[in-house]
Amino acid sequence: AQKVTQAQTEISVVEKEDVTLDCVYETRDTTYYLFWYKQPPSGELVFLIRRNSFDEQNEISGRYSWNFQKSTSSFNFTITASQVVDSAVYFCALRNTGGFKTIFGAGTRLFVKA
Amino acid sequence: NAGVTQTPKFRVLKTGQSMTLLCAQDMNHEYMYWYRQDPGMGLRLIHYSVGEGTTAKGEVPDGYNVSRLKKQNFLLGLESAAPSQTSVYFCASRETGLATSDTQYFGPGTRLTVL
Repeated sequence: AQKVTQAQTEISVVEKEDVTLDCVYETRDTTYYLFWYKQPPSGELVFLIRRNSFDEQNEISGRYSWNFQKSTSSFNFTITASQVVDSAVYFCALRNTGGFKTIFGAGTRLFVKA
Repeated sequence: NAGVTQTPKFRVLKTGQSMTLLCAQDMNHEYMYWYRQDPGMGLRLIHYSVGEGTTAKGEVPDGYNVSRLKKQNFLLGLESAAPSQTSVYFCASRETGLATSDTQYFGPGTRLTVL
């Protein structure tokens, strides 16, 4: 069975702080994709990143970085120098390669205060 | 490209009423999905389709029906709405194939309230 756990329900930080959102997943498949999506207060779902299971290199995109560790089944997301515009719900998701279904975590609501 | 669009954006129903949510995509994607989003539960898959004329059940299909008569459209029907179906509904489509990013693209959502 597949499962995605985002243990942090809500996180509150002050602007310019760094914040890490945790994601732990379970799957029996050897090849899979991991995703992060952002849902700002306006409600739409914005794709942030896709990571293949065979590529464990960390990725950085501006203030965003992702740490993928297969050994601990984790795919954590760090925002450096957070900004108020980062306030949103963030979802981690998993899909097996060649699979039809994407499994989403429950989401982490991030509040960034000015 | 409009991407993925959903109609309507908001709707209020009374218990027992029926309605259809329309999802349309102009990206020629084979795969389409309907999800519901409830507080603290993330997105749960209702039904999905891997091509025109095909549909399959997801995690929470009870009380919903779907149809994919045309590749670009995926309809979600509620035959007899119940308060438990109050939710935000998202449609998504996905490009597939080795030369693609294999990413899901989401519509803006439909907020449905059943009284």
